[in-house]
Amino acid sequence: EVQLVQSGAEVKKPGESLKISCKGSGYSLTSNWIGWVRQMPGKGLEWMGIIYPGDSETRYSPSFQGQVTMSADKSISTSYLQWSSLKASDTAMYYCARLVSSWFYFDYWGQGTLVTVSS
Amino acid sequence: EIVLTQSPDTLSLSPGERATLSCRASQSVSSSYLAWYQQKPGQAPRLLIYGASIRATGIPDRFSGSGSGTDFTLTISRLEPEDFAVYYCQQYGSSFTFGPGTKVDIK
Repeated sequence: EVQLVQSGAEVKKPGESLKISCKGSGYSLTSNWIGWVRQMPGKGLEWMGIIYPGDSETRYSPSFQGQVTMSADKSISTSYLQWSSLKASDTAMYYCARLVSSWFYFDYWGQGTLVTVSS
Repeated sequence: EIVLTQSPDTLSLSPGERATLSCRASQSVSSSYLAWYQQKPGQAPRLLIYGASIRATGIPDRFSGSGSGTDFTLTISRLEPEDFAVYYCQQYGSSFTFGPGTKVDIK
């Protein structure tokens, strides 16, 4: 069974750094790109970027380029999303999802990681 | 960047009724690269349709997708209580975009 399990909720202060994770199981992580999607409170879905865990190639949405960093460790089937200096506006639910690249849709989703940034 | 517009914002219907949701793109989208997702409160999105009209594994046949070019439609033939949720379309051109969503709520 394919599963993406994300790390737990985080509460941080503005200016702090953060790295959240997404661990895949039930399939070979090097077979599929992993995408990250933001959902701000009460809002819709926003694509942030995708990473290929096999070689850590990344593609960012222009809206998120320079704001976050995606990385991966294929040895432990885990992808990461990190911030170097959080802002209050980063408060959101963040989802990872597996990309089916032949059709460009996301078939399996993690449960989400809620990030709250507040002073 | 291709912008997706969904209408209506909210659709108020009763169980058993037919729901027709629209997704319009700012420029032509390959039908192969148009997907629909369902999201219920407190849950991650769930894939319903890909390739504009292909139901994902385990999706009931009351869900159907159609369309091409810039106009796509998700139809729920007879609403079940568990279908009341928010629905998003998503496309891939040179990048990914999601529509703003249509909420289907109980009338």
